[in-house]
Amino acid sequence: GEDVEQSLFLSVREGDSSVINCTYTDSSSTYLYWYKQEPGAGLQLLTYIFSNMDVKQDQRLTVLLNKKDKHLSLRIADTQTGDSAIYFCAEKGGSSNTGKLIFGQGTTLQVKP
Amino acid sequence: EAGVAQSPRYKIIEKRQSVAFWCNPISGHATLYWYQQILGQGPKLLIQFQNNGVVDDSQLPKDRFSAERLKGVDSTLKIQPAKLEDSAVYLCASSPNDGTKNIQYFGAGTRLSVL
Repeated sequence: GEDVEQSLFLSVREGDSSVINCTYTDSSSTYLYWYKQEPGAGLQLLTYIFSNMDVKQDQRLTVLLNKKDKHLSLRIADTQTGDSAIYFCAEKGGSSNTGKLIFGQGTTLQVKP
Repeated sequence: EAGVAQSPRYKIIEKRQSVAFWCNPISGHATLYWYQQILGQGPKLLIQFQNNGVVDDSQLPKDRFSAERLKGVDSTLKIQPAKLEDSAVYLCASSPNDGTKNIQYFGAGTRLSVL
């Protein structure tokens, strides 16, 4: 079946690195995504990674994919107070190119000044 | 480029009443999704449209929920009658036909409270 698991809460100090972890079950997933949700707002796509990649870097964001263990992580360098939000990991479900996204329950990132 | 528009932003109704939500996707996006996000959880797909046809409505509680996308652009999601457990944020997303990446762009959502 399709399932995505995340830890619920992470607290870091401003300037530190944050690492948010995610595990998924569908080994056929071609793309995996990280979304950010601020209070009262919709989901904003941060980055995505194709399943044949191990790492993807995008400015302060680094995505690591361990396909063997079905483990995905998002590292945020030099975390700022504006990074405080809920972060969702998602995999593409279904077999079609335009299939639904399967989301984890979200990790709340708290950044202390 | 304008984003996905949703209205209303908030709605409070009593159980057994009806409610409707509206979504205008990004111009040119063929695929439209409605997700339900219960407090403390990730969004879960209710229904997916490709143009004006339904692709996946397997998780839609069809005894009370309905959705349409008549002209392949705007969409409405209706609940009739509402139950307490329908309290959630209803998110609309759209996606272009961009191959396999399937980047989905989300609206701000409609927060529904059923009393």
